[in-house]
Amino acid sequence: EAQVTQNPRYLITVTGKKLTVTCSQNMNHEYMSWYRQDPGLGLRQIYYSMNVEVTDKGDVPEGYKVSRKEKRNFPLILESPSPNQTSLYFCASRPGALKSYEQYFGPGTRLTVT
Amino acid sequence: AQSVTQLGSHVSVSEGALVLLRCNYSSSVPPYLFWYVQYPNQGLQLLLKYTSAATLVKGINGFEAEFKKSETSFHLTKPSAHMSDAAEYFCAVSEGSNFGNEKLTFGTGTRLTIIP
Repeated sequence: EAQVTQNPRYLITVTGKKLTVTCSQNMNHEYMSWYRQDPGLGLRQIYYSMNVEVTDKGDVPEGYKVSRKEKRNFPLILESPSPNQTSLYFCASRPGALKSYEQYFGPGTRLTVT
Repeated sequence: AQSVTQLGSHVSVSEGALVLLRCNYSSSVPPYLFWYVQYPNQGLQLLLKYTSAATLVKGINGFEAEFKKSETSFHLTKPSAHMSDAAEYFCAVSEGSNFGNEKLTFGTGTRLTIIP
């Protein structure tokens, strides 16, 4: 089944403890992206990647890192999480470089930082 | 810069009634426009998209949207609401021309409630 998977789905952590949220897609998509969803703010793009080893900042990149060493994986790294990073996170992928294609979303990761 | 405004964070309609969810956009170049639906505890699923072909776009589950350049709008409609339509709906815009500026900008969402 074609899909975007994220792990973990739920995570509670403490301020300053490094964490990684994994994202993997099995559709051979070049483009991948991370979003955070907050009430009243919709989804905001954190980082995106056009292909392996090609990443760039979105609207809200502060406090996050990403890497794209393999085409299928695009982990989101929080080096020192803070409470304002408590949010619902979505990974998405899109075939090729054409923006006219829709993005396919993972099921989300709910992160709580205390 | 591109942006999306969704009027009405909550919309309630009776089962069988018309659904109208409003979306206005701004974009410095012709846009690509998308409507996504989010069911509880799930990711986003594409309903339909406009990519500069026909201005009236039909999507899944009986939804459709009309691109009106003069009004910078892309409102989502469904003639007859069903209980299963209860969800949150997001409008999103990406600036047209397929290369450059990879940002997909979302509206703040509209939660649709269906009244039995």
